[in-house]
Amino acid sequence: DAKTTQPTSMDCAEGRAANLPCNHSTISGNEYVYWYRQIHSQGPQYIIHGLKNNETNEMASLIITEDRKSSTLILPHATLRDTAVYYCIVRDWYGNKLVFGAGTILRVKS
Amino acid sequence: GAGVSQTPSNKVTEKGKYVELRCDPISGHTALYWYRQSLGQGPEFLIYFQGTGAADDSGLPNDRFFAVRPEGSVSTLKIQRTERGDSAMYLCASSLIGGRAGGGELFFGEGSRLTVL
Repeated sequence: DAKTTQPTSMDCAEGRAANLPCNHSTISGNEYVYWYRQIHSQGPQYIIHGLKNNETNEMASLIITEDRKSSTLILPHATLRDTAVYYCIVRDWYGNKLVFGAGTILRVKS
Repeated sequence: GAGVSQTPSNKVTEKGKYVELRCDPISGHTALYWYRQSLGQGPEFLIYFQGTGAADDSGLPNDRFFAVRPEGSVSTLKIQRTERGDSAMYLCASSLIGGRAGGGELFFGEGSRLTVL
């Protein structure tokens, strides 16, 4: 599976949009981009995934660049409860496991 | 239950002892995964089951670690001759369809925290 690169940490003001970047320059055509988050002392939680089109659900939006070498997770109105570690993961169609990196620590501040 | 259940939530043991950690997946989920997470790091893959068989055990660190899923539902992670370096959070996840990235969203439990003294 392709490797991803994320910033170590980010801060965001409560009520603002949080934009979390991820680089996956070696991604191949059959690989999906997945995002999970992990709130302190809990198991990881699925957020969203996509192949090449932008995706939106009740939690977030995922913007994937046209060349698919990077993506951005957007939390449109961050709240204090969104403070967590956010993991960007590349997973191929037949890949059964998620390979986690270190993720981005997002701190939402009032 | 509604989610993935793991027991015990906390386990303290002594070096050299044997430990079992249990995972009860979401009903109907055919795929089950074990991960290990040390403080400040992302979860590390250990093993994946599709039904009763281990489809990928490439993440098991050594032969002291073993996992079973005899009836394709509950799974037990077994650690023999525990070492202090085994101290970590052990996470279990299940998914409805394994092997298909589009539909294989993993649901994680709250984990079992193992401390080896």
